[in-house]
Amino acid sequence: QSVLTQPPSVSGAPGQRVTISCTGSNSNIGAGFDVHWYQQLPGTAPKLLIYGNINRPTGVPDRFSGSKSGTSASLAITGLQAEDEADYYCQSYDSSLSGYVFGSGSKVAVL
Amino acid sequence: QVQLQESGPGLVKPSETLSLTCTVSGGSITDYSWIWIRQSPGKGLEWLGYIHYSGSTTYNPSLQSRVTISLDTPKNQFSLKVSSVTAEDTAVYYCARHSPNHWGDYFDYWGQGTLVTVSS
Repeated sequence: QSVLTQPPSVSGAPGQRVTISCTGSNSNIGAGFDVHWYQQLPGTAPKLLIYGNINRPTGVPDRFSGSKSGTSASLAITGLQAEDEADYYCQSYDSSLSGYVFGSGSKVAVL
Repeated sequence: QVQLQESGPGLVKPSETLSLTCTVSGGSITDYSWIWIRQSPGKGLEWLGYIHYSGSTTYNPSLQSRVTISLDTPKNQFSLKVSSVTAEDTAVYYCARHSPNHWGDYFDYWGQGTLVTVSS
């Protein structure tokens, strides 16, 4: 019942490109609030992957990219690698809830 | 490199108060805001509240009546209290740095997390 909807799982072969969608509404993404993405490797804390819709923190490979349009955002991983197997979460702000909202998370599997 | 470390009891009895502390190293707590976030299988990631270095706080409206966050500047720590806990408060609790700027509000450094179980 997350405010931001993500596909539960995404998979691809090594080297392929995968995308993860994050669908919100007019009170969060559609209202202009920025979207941020986190990567959570098994047994670890979430790590900031993309901030401000499109920006990568220092040290994040350029294989990861973000975009935003309307009430949705997307995370793309190009040149998929085994080490990319993780859960990915989107995050934004919601004016109706007066607070931060997270996506339900998407598990990326490398076939 | 900023590092955060949560500490506190891993087991809390129902109706009691959950108390956790986050120790910040590699940077001053007076430079940013700091947030508590929890993660449970049932509710996913949920923010509880954050505190500005000035001491002002903002809480999740759904938890506001039970959550208190405070700063201990000399110790470079901030703390969380959740009162009247139930089994639904069982989760991994994370502390993180809250970085609001022109790119939006995001959380750029996280602690490793600590599991808190509510059970008698």
